[in-house]
Amino acid sequence: GAVVSQHPSRVICKSGTSVKIECRSLDFQATTMFWYRQFPKKSLMLMATSNEGSKATYEQGVEKDKFLINHASLTLSTLTVTSAHPEDSSFYICSAPQAGRDEQFFGPGTRLTVL
Amino acid sequence: EDQVTQSPEALRLQEGESSSLNCSYTVSGLRGLFWYRQDPGKGPEFLFTLYSAGEEKEKERLKATLTKKESFLHITAPKPEDSATYLCAVQASGANNLFFGTGTRLTVIP
Repeated sequence: GAVVSQHPSRVICKSGTSVKIECRSLDFQATTMFWYRQFPKKSLMLMATSNEGSKATYEQGVEKDKFLINHASLTLSTLTVTSAHPEDSSFYICSAPQAGRDEQFFGPGTRLTVL
Repeated sequence: EDQVTQSPEALRLQEGESSSLNCSYTVSGLRGLFWYRQDPGKGPEFLFTLYSAGEEKEKERLKATLTKKESFLHITAPKPEDSATYLCAVQASGANNLFFGTGTRLTVIP
């Protein structure tokens, strides 16, 4: 149980385009999901908390107009990187806690490369 | 401010050579401390949750312990398949998010 998927696993795009990343909880419902960013050999940095049915909460320094988050249902959150630039290239990972448990279950991550 | 420091940054062990990884933390009221394993290019895989000082959890060759200031991940007789980055994270009281350390990159040599 507690499986989280992400799609796509890898994406390459041109500078200026937008990219959508999906995060799904496959066998449980998640009213809250988290989006992290990870640079090579660095730890996970929380970007935002995605809340089903309400606006996302962004961490300090994260541009909410650039990283659009939509939590459309109890099993799906999407992160859209708008007008992507090379500095947005990174490994994006989502996670979700299962109801009644404190630990978060992570997706496999999405490698974004912006040319 | 919450802070998590992991040491060492990298560790190379011979197969069968036991060792410990350290996670020192500062948090405004600990709700839980978490250990994850991360393989290259993959998302973190949950290992353990610890809630109070003195608590211990075990899984195969891994044992996690917790004090009021730090946690240890003990690896007994490691195998090459234990090679990975081990991440420690804390959750503060009243918070939903996790705050991660930078990890220890473990390499077990056959």
